[in-house]
Amino acid sequence: GAVVSQHPSWVICKSGTSVKIECRSLDFQATTMFWYRQFPKQSLMLMATSNEGSKATYEQGVEKDKFLINHASLTLSTLTVTSAHPEDSSFYICSARGDRVEAFFGQGTRLTVV
Amino acid sequence: GQQVMQIPQYQHVQEGEDFTTYCNSSTTLSNIQWYKQRPGGHPVFLIQLVKSGEVKKQKRLTFQFGEAKKNSSLHITATQTTDVGTYFCAGPSGYSSASKIIFGSGTRLSIRP
Repeated sequence: GAVVSQHPSWVICKSGTSVKIECRSLDFQATTMFWYRQFPKQSLMLMATSNEGSKATYEQGVEKDKFLINHASLTLSTLTVTSAHPEDSSFYICSARGDRVEAFFGQGTRLTVV
Repeated sequence: GQQVMQIPQYQHVQEGEDFTTYCNSSTTLSNIQWYKQRPGGHPVFLIQLVKSGEVKKQKRLTFQFGEAKKNSSLHITATQTTDVGTYFCAGPSGYSSASKIIFGSGTRLSIRP
């Protein structure tokens, strides 16, 4: 299957700092990228959907000023968690979709805010 | 908004027993997808069903899409320890290729060797 690379795989940051997570589709063009958050033993909660070159569409309850999403090219999307707080600690996963119907997932980023 | 629910939430079976998870959507789906997430891993695509009443098989896994295209099931015959993980169904929110994908609540399968 297609490959989606997410970086970093884990990060620990201090409360109040910002963290950037990158999601790259390595061998296909991702017209749509999705960002999910997953708390332990729970499902994937969609945070936002981004299409290349346009603003991301955020789900209800997700603060767009706190979770900045940029999808500047067909192979790269970034999620920046601004002014992170301990409650933002979670597993963040991106997925990318191109011409094929299924979405391919990155490895995920475990964010711990201390 | 659209909701996708799965039951059961957890299932603990003896190795060799069968396992079934059920997925129900609050709205009609153009297609449904199934993913498996191993502990500590990321979701991996298993299959997509598109047609009403469609049934697909992958070795010991049987996937079914309901006639009304609002429900689906995944059945595993004679489970093995490699089947451990969480199984998610997922459906698009609309009919365009840009529709967001909504995940079900997931069913976590554990197996007694």
